[in-house]
This record gives sequence, C-alpha cells and structure tokens, in this order.
Amino acid sequence: QQQVKQSPQSLIVQKGGISIINCAYENTAFDYFPWYQQFPGKGPALLIAIRPDVSEKKEGRFTISFNKSAKQFSLHIMDSQPGDSATYFCAAVYNFNKFYFGSGTKLNVKP
Amino acid sequence: DTGVSQDPRHKITKRGQNVTFRCDPISEHNRLYWYRQTLGQGPEFLTYFQNEAQLEKSRLLSDRFSAERPKGSFSTLEIQRTEQGDSAMYLCASSSDRGQETQYFGPGTRLLVL
Repeated sequence: QQQVKQSPQSLIVQKGGISIINCAYENTAFDYFPWYQQFPGKGPALLIAIRPDVSEKKEGRFTISFNKSAKQFSLHIMDSQPGDSATYFCAAVYNFNKFYFGSGTKLNVKP
Repeated sequence: DTGVSQDPRHKITKRGQNVTFRCDPISEHNRLYWYRQTLGQGPEFLTYFQNEAQLEKSRLLSDRFSAERPKGSFSTLEIQRTEQGDSAMYLCASSSDRGQETQYFGPGTRLLVL
C-alpha cells in the first residue's frame, strides 16, 4: 500500500508560471513533510519541509501548503524557471526516521 | 554536494555476481539509511543504522542483501547472486538524531545487472 500519493506524474509549465504538485497521505502519525528535488544522475536534495502544526511555509519561490484535515500538502513553485526542471518528490515522515516517498513529479519548465 | 559520498557511482555486473557498494555519510551524522530507487519511482527504504547497529530492515531486503556499518561511520551494502531485477539506483542518506529529521542523500550508485 502506497503511503504517499503524488500527482501529477509530469508537469509542463511556461517560464514565469506557477508549478503546483500535490501529495496526499493516510497515516496521521506522520509528523514531518519534506520535499526533495532530484536532477538526473543525482541524489534527491532537500528543498523545503513543513510540520503539521503549520499551514504554510515559504522559502524564496517555494511554498508548501499543508491541509491537516484533508491530509494533503502541496508544493508551489512561483515564477518557475528552466533551471527548476527536475523531478520532485514529496515525503512523509514519522518517528524521525521512517521516510515514505511519493512516486515523483517530473517538471519541465519551458523557456 | 551534500557531503554524503557513494562509491562506485556506476556498476555493471553479470547476473549471479556479487557486488558491494560503499557509503560515507556526513561525519557528525549517526544515522545512515539505504534506499533503492527504480526509474520513475521515489526512493524505497531498505535499511537503517543508528551508529553501528542495524535497527530496521525492509521486507524488500531479501536474504541476498546485507548491509554493515562496522565502526558507525561508513557503510557497505552487498548484493549476492545479483538478479536483473536488482538493477536500480542505490541511494545512501544520513541524518543526525539531535532533533533533525532531514536526510541528506548521496549521489547514488547505479547498478545494471546484465
């Protein structure tokens, strides 16, 4: 059973547009929700993360929106740039070390 | 560069051969994780060490897989009698147990079993 469901599988956005990636989870024991960015041939790199007691967190052009009652969270990339083209993974964590990753979203930002 | 290194970066082997991968975590991190990632999927947890103790193993980790972290620093992942289905990216990550959940990933070892 997949613990974290991520959508869409792929996303094409024009430069300057907003990219939105969504994730949903079932287990209410999760207490940390990071997003990772992965470029081809590289390992995932932490982008931004949020705890469930906060509804939104913003770091530069990246924002996480968190809806605890709906058990959903999303990543918004404002003013998307071609350099943002990568695969993005959401994850849900509990007990500080049990990470469950979504299946990934391949983002292509067209110039 | 996150500070987590993995070696080798690529490995091609024939079915039935044994392979061993190495991971060097960030020096002050006492937690070390191994994941497997196949094309188009997120990382799947394989096993986890706290210092030198292997605290958890996924059911994905068959008895052909073994991992060690003998001195609580670097770790090795060995796959015996490799199968074509073992072809994947093997990722190592490390973290600190001082209230920081963030895992820092290495670049991975891409394994191809022919």
